Amino acid sequence: NAGVTQTPKFQVLKTGQSMTLQCAQDMNHNSMYWYRQDPGMGLRLIYYSASEGTTDKGEVPNGYNVSRLNKREFSLRLESAAPSQTSVYFCASSESEREGSYEQYFGPGTRLTVT
Amino acid sequence: QQQVKQSPQSLIVQKGGISIINCAYENTAFDYFPWYQQFPGKGPALLIAIRPDVSEKKEGRFTISFNKSAKQFSLHIMDSQPGDSATYFCAASEGGYQKVTFGTGTKLQVIP
Repeated sequence: NAGVTQTPKFQVLKTGQSMTLQCAQDMNHNSMYWYRQDPGMGLRLIYYSASEGTTDKGEVPNGYNVSRLNKREFSLRLESAAPSQTSVYFCASSESEREGSYEQYFGPGTRLTVT
Repeated sequence: QQQVKQSPQSLIVQKGGISIINCAYENTAFDYFPWYQQFPGKGPALLIAIRPDVSEKKEGRFTISFNKSAKQFSLHIMDSQPGDSATYFCAASEGGYQKVTFGTGTKLQVIP
């Protein structure tokens, strides 16, 4: 069981370039999430997918798009990267509920720098 | 707008001491309050969680205290160990698992 995997681990982009961050989970979870983590800001939800075929905006969706490719995979796309998108990006997944817990399982993160 | 306020931003505790991290929330519809622990270079992992129908939950050395009327909750780490050194995030959600709002994090350092 790999849990939640993310690729790439590190990426440097120039302003205006595009890229897609990949995320996959092998726990058969229905829900998946994308967060960004910035110093002093905690984790902020970008987009989430409650189930295959659905996506919804979180707190900071501007400048991002997502695709729930299938139940396992949830990708995050930056169409035209900006320095303000320099951050660490985390993907997470969860079941709706398990023994009263709504635990989210996080991947190892992607550290993105936009110059 | 920060819906979950967390303090302190950083904390240094001696080995064996008690670490206390506080959080306050505004949205009275929040009904699930987890704490996540994050080690450097890793993703966060669930540590302990509480619902507002109980005032305290204990798991080993970790205890959540919850004050519904004050809209505050806190994490207590008893007998703190150097291995507890990590960043801790409180969080809150409404209706369970989907839109989780995280606090800004507390970096804990436990010194020998």
